[in-house]
Amino acid sequence: KAGVTQTPRYLIKTRGQQVTLSCSPISGHRSVSWYQQTPGQGLQFLFEYFSETQRNKGNFPGRFSGRQFSNSRSEMNVSTLELGDSALYLCASSPDGVANEQFFGPGTRLTVL
Amino acid sequence: EDQVTQSPEALRLQEGESSSLNCSYTVSGLRGLFWYRQDPGKGPEFLFTLYSAGEEKEKERLKATLTKKESFLHITAPKPEDSATYLCAVQIGRSSNTGKLIFGQGTTLQVKP
Repeated sequence: KAGVTQTPRYLIKTRGQQVTLSCSPISGHRSVSWYQQTPGQGLQFLFEYFSETQRNKGNFPGRFSGRQFSNSRSEMNVSTLELGDSALYLCASSPDGVANEQFFGPGTRLTVL
Repeated sequence: EDQVTQSPEALRLQEGESSSLNCSYTVSGLRGLFWYRQDPGKGPEFLFTLYSAGEEKEKERLKATLTKKESFLHITAPKPEDSATYLCAVQIGRSSNTGKLIFGQGTTLQVKP
């Protein structure tokens, strides 16, 4: 079974630009969660999507948004990039997200200059 | 406030020297506790899920245990390939469906040959 895939793997942007990251979950998994990982804050929950609906949201500004498609693939968007948005963005999938183990992708390394 | 604390932050062991990593949590309504391993530049790799106090799970040289306030990851006779950051995460919420995980800061383990 193929694992979680994320594209692109690396991205360099400048302040003020916007970016879209993509995540393809494991086949059959309907829950997709996004996390931001930085050396200072560790892994922080951004949001979770289940059956195309945002089910939960972390404490991030509205510049961070996401969506999920009918095939469970998900995208997250960050608008008006700031230097502090530089991080590893991780996507995780699980069958339904509730008390199931979540399987992570390799992440997208975003650098904002 | 829901919180997950891991200790120590860093641990250096000689090959074969057994030890334990700690994950203490203060959350309301634990639904599950998860252990992950993360290698540099990669996404977290799932290790164990524990659901209730007294539960134990083993995999090769690793054994995870759970009490009402903390979890331990015991590493028996570690090898250099066990070197990684070990992350603990909890999922909360008895009445709501959510895939949100709250992560600890991790313990970085280095095993020297």
